[in-house]
Amino acid sequence: GDSVTQMEGPVTLSEEAFLTINCTYTATGYPSLFWYVQYPGEGLQLLLKATKADDKGSNKGFEATYRKETTSFHLEKGSVQVSDSAVYFCALSAREGGGGADGLTFGKGTHLIIQP
Amino acid sequence: DGGITQSPKYLFRKEGQNVTLSCEQNLNHDAMYWYRQDPGQGLRLIYYSQIVNDFQKGDIAEGYSVSREKKESFPLTVTSAQKNPTAFYLCASRWTGRGNTEAFFGQGTRLTVV
Repeated sequence: GDSVTQMEGPVTLSEEAFLTINCTYTATGYPSLFWYVQYPGEGLQLLLKATKADDKGSNKGFEATYRKETTSFHLEKGSVQVSDSAVYFCALSAREGGGGADGLTFGKGTHLIIQP
Repeated sequence: DGGITQSPKYLFRKEGQNVTLSCEQNLNHDAMYWYRQDPGQGLRLIYYSQIVNDFQKGDIAEGYSVSREKKESFPLTVTSAQKNPTAFYLCASRWTGRGNTEAFFGQGTRLTVV
């Protein structure tokens, strides 16, 4: 079945450091890929997405490129801030026109801690 | 504004009681989902529904029940059969039209057994 693997946390960085959170996937068909962010005590918010190979999603200084050849969608940011501290989830949607659990798969989440 | 609303934000339950968590969306999405999240853990799927009057069990359905009588609403009941119900519960919805679409999440309900 479909799966998403992302690096385990917590990841601790100093403010203004460069961030990479790795995400790789396995899926049938042609998935769309997503990064979600969850702040403490809140639901998940969509951070960025990419719907086809070589697409780059970007938002709030974060970027991720859909790499079909390496089945990856790594999240990057050039200079992190304390306010970026949160849990980040990589996810995929892999069933054209479908719904239900088979169409939506999440990684286990990476807890990011940014120290001033 | 379109969105997905969960209520209440905090809920306390005595052992042996059933409680119902509300989830409402006005996004006109067909698919709706309930997830459970434990501290420091990822999401675990409880139930999902692709259409009104139909729903399927997820990975951890035991001790939970749902209904889908309206497109907008997908309430989750945590029954007394759920032995460890203290957790953060997240509801999501998704458009299942053309393309591989993202899910939209509510703000969550934190359930505590007292």
